[in-house]
Amino acid sequence: SSELTQDPAVSVALGQTVRITCQGDSLTSYYANWYQQKAGQAPVLVMSGQDKRPSGIPDRFSGSKSGNTASLTIIGAQAEDEADYYCSSRDRRGNQPPVLFGGGTKLTVL
Amino acid sequence: EVRLVESGGDLVQPGGSLRLSCAASGFTFSSYDMNWVRQAPGKGLEWLSYINSRGSTIYYADSVRGRFIISRDNAEHSLSLQMDSLRVEDTAFYYCARDLYGDHTLDYWGQGALVIVSS
Repeated sequence: SSELTQDPAVSVALGQTVRITCQGDSLTSYYANWYQQKAGQAPVLVMSGQDKRPSGIPDRFSGSKSGNTASLTIIGAQAEDEADYYCSSRDRRGNQPPVLFGGGTKLTVL
Repeated sequence: EVRLVESGGDLVQPGGSLRLSCAASGFTFSSYDMNWVRQAPGKGLEWLSYINSRGSTIYYADSVRGRFIISRDNAEHSLSLQMDSLRVEDTAFYYCARDLYGDHTLDYWGQGALVIVSS
């Protein structure tokens, strides 16, 4: 299918490790990008391709992919990491590279 | 500093038209592909459209193809989205976003423009 599936909500205790996953057929061909969106703000790119962190993104964020599943891992989650996280990848359909977004995962830091 | 500033959001009746603009600064606009992404209130992100740096390659999501037109003016450092035949379900925040590698890695986003389609 041409969809990216994410768990709707995940929680993590302050300072602990959390993995947010994204599953879809397109991920067997393309890497995932990850965006963080805090309440009332625009999305921010936090991870791209094979574990590439944009400048300014803390190194507690890391990315990985295995088969049709991509993961964003936060080691030592902080209160400021509470946000919605969206994965994206290119779509496998046809020759056009439209973009797929996952439905988003709401991360709560307890 | 890279900045993307959307404008043109408004309340419009179903069937109406609206044109969004995105003013870019802080980078060489003509060197980057660009995208539009929207987000309905309380919902997830939906990619809408892509235009390459020269404006010669354009893609649309099925949901807006035939109704929306993306364009750019590299001399004015501006991206636009002409939206026609608007529907209630087009109500959303509309974001312009820079395409870092030309592969839909969106590294900078504007703050969003709110479009409300309602009678």
